Amino acid sequence: QVQLVESGGGVVQPGGSLRLSCAASGFTFSTYGMHWVRQAPGKGLEWVAFIRHDGSNKYYADSVKGRFTISRDNSKNTLYLQMNSLRTEDTAVYYCAKGAYSSSSNSYFDYWGRGTLVTVSS
Amino acid sequence: EIVLTQSPGTLSLSPGERATLSCRASQSVSSSYLAWYQQKPGQAPKLLIYGASSRATGIPDRFSGSGSGTDFTLTISRLEPEDFAVYYCQQYGSSPPTFGQGTKVEIK
Repeated sequence: QVQLVESGGGVVQPGGSLRLSCAASGFTFSTYGMHWVRQAPGKGLEWVAFIRHDGSNKYYADSVKGRFTISRDNSKNTLYLQMNSLRTEDTAVYYCAKGAYSSSSNSYFDYWGRGTLVTVSS
Repeated sequence: EIVLTQSPGTLSLSPGERATLSCRASQSVSSSYLAWYQQKPGQAPKLLIYGASSRATGIPDRFSGSGSGTDFTLTISRLEPEDFAVYYCQQYGSSPPTFGQGTKVEIK
């Protein structure tokens, strides 16, 4: 069965950096686009970033563009999110989500991890 | 970007009743690329419906989706105790993918 397991969350000061990881199993990781979606405490869902199955294309929400970088290692079945210049408004649970398609950022999300909490606070 | 507005914000119903949730888009959602998710407290969202009306794997047939253009509906024909949760719609017809603010279905 499909499993997505995030790690790397924690408490960081404003302006700091954090790297999230998502270990994938149960499907052919290298053939699907992958996404990060976040949810601030008590709030709704916000799409953050997408990476194409082969890593050749990446897209970001305007709110994180220039600060966050999505990447993947298909040899390790792992997705990453490098978060720099963190702000208090980046505080959220970050979910790794499998896209339904290989190459399109416009996708629904058929499997989700349990999420990892990032808290940006001084 | 396409803004999705869900209504009502909260739906108070009893087990066995029918639930009708609405999702309205600020512009037409191309090819009915509209999905619905269920989220329970402390859990990740779970895909229920994609393509406006196709049920995801393992989703019971009491869940159904309909609509096109700017107006979409999720119907739960007879509420089971495990169906009380927050429901989100999401459009993936244009970039960026966006979500509605959610409808909470609570026990009356």
